[in-house]
Amino acid sequence: QQQVKQSPQSLIVQKGGISIINCAYENTAFDYFPWYQQFPGKGPALLIAIRPDVSEKKEGRFTISFNKSAKQFSLHIMDSQPGDSATYFCAASYPRGGTASKLTFGTGTRLQVTL
Amino acid sequence: DGGITQSPKYLFRKEGQNVTLSCEQNLNHDAMYWYRQDPGQGLRLIYYSQIVNDFQKGDIAEGYSVSREKKESFPLTVTSAQKNPTAFYLCASNPPQGNQPQHFGDGTRLSIL
Repeated sequence: QQQVKQSPQSLIVQKGGISIINCAYENTAFDYFPWYQQFPGKGPALLIAIRPDVSEKKEGRFTISFNKSAKQFSLHIMDSQPGDSATYFCAASYPRGGTASKLTFGTGTRLQVTL
Repeated sequence: DGGITQSPKYLFRKEGQNVTLSCEQNLNHDAMYWYRQDPGQGLRLIYYSQIVNDFQKGDIAEGYSVSREKKESFPLTVTSAQKNPTAFYLCASNPPQGNQPQHFGDGTRLSIL
């Protein structure tokens, strides 16, 4: 029930195209869904996050779509650029007592944006 | 600049040796975490700590140990009991309010000699 399933494992998109990465979860107690971007040799950096009370959140070229009934959420990268080439992780957490928020991560999607 | 500093960036371990990975943060965050990253497996939680002198096992704690003597520091020891230690290790922290985004360091890559 703790799993977050992410697809595809890798993705090649042409410059200017739309990149779409999907995640699905089982635990209905999850209430926070961040996406992280990671470049080689670096730690993941928060890209955008959503809570289940909204169905979509947009920040610049990045949009999260959230479908609570289907227990799915996805990341859309509009006008994909070569600089977007990185590994993307979805994650989910649910509220616990105290300060720690244990994130459950998807297995990652390696995005390559070609010229 | 506030952030999380992990050192060293690369570390080599001999068979039977314990090694310690450093993680320091100046973000005044209460909670700190250690993750292990292997290709194709995402990030898996090793240990986490909510406050000083307190820490909890994550999903893959066997063969690892931690301490939290100061708010700023959360070192991870990879013991000789960890038979497959080769991985990228990431430290993270987040503010005291629940479900806040975790901030990550730039990792330590551990390899076996």
